[in-house]
Amino acid sequence: QVQLVQSGAEVKKPGASVRVSCKASGYTFTDYYIFWVRQAPGQGLEWMGWINPDSGGTSYAQKFQDWVTMTRDTSINTVYMDLSRLKSDDTAFYYCARQNVYDGNYLDYWGQGTLVTVSS
Amino acid sequence: DIQMTQSPSSLSASVGDRVTITCRASQTISNYLNWYQQKPGKAPKLLIYAASTLQSGVPSRFRGSGSGTDFTLTLSSLQPEDFATYYCQQSYNSPITFGRGTRLEIK
Repeated sequence: QVQLVQSGAEVKKPGASVRVSCKASGYTFTDYYIFWVRQAPGQGLEWMGWINPDSGGTSYAQKFQDWVTMTRDTSINTVYMDLSRLKSDDTAFYYCARQNVYDGNYLDYWGQGTLVTVSS
Repeated sequence: DIQMTQSPSSLSASVGDRVTITCRASQTISNYLNWYQQKPGKAPKLLIYAASTLQSGVPSRFRGSGSGTDFTLTLSSLQPEDFATYYCQQSYNSPITFGRGTRLEIK
């Protein structure tokens, strides 16, 4: 069965960087884009960007353009999301999700989420 | 960016009730509209894609409709496990955007 398993919770100080991983299983890793979505506590969902695991190509939301980097390692079916220069308002759950474009365009499987807490 | 406006932002209902949540896009998005359910502490779960197609495994009491700019999610005969927050999301163009959510609470 399709699964996306994310790395564990992180606590970081302002100005630091964080890496969140998302390991895929149960399907051909390079066939589906992976999207990253974040959710601040008690807030809604915000798209951060996507990565094409086949080519490594990326697209980032304008808001995150200068401080997010998404990469992948096809040997272990894992994508990574690096966020730099963290601020307190980056405290949020970060989700990876698989994009499916069969008969539409939707996020059909999600990771369990990774809580990143930014605090001095 | 396409703005997605959901209403209501919250509602209270009882088990067995029928409820409708609406989502309006700031421009036409054809049928590129998806609905997700999120329970506290959990990741969102896809319910409906392409405005009206039920994701595999989702009960038939969930129904989506609409096209263009106006969409609805209808839950008939609410079950205890349906009390959650619901989000619409457009995938017509980038950036994908979500509504602010509708919190469905038990009356």
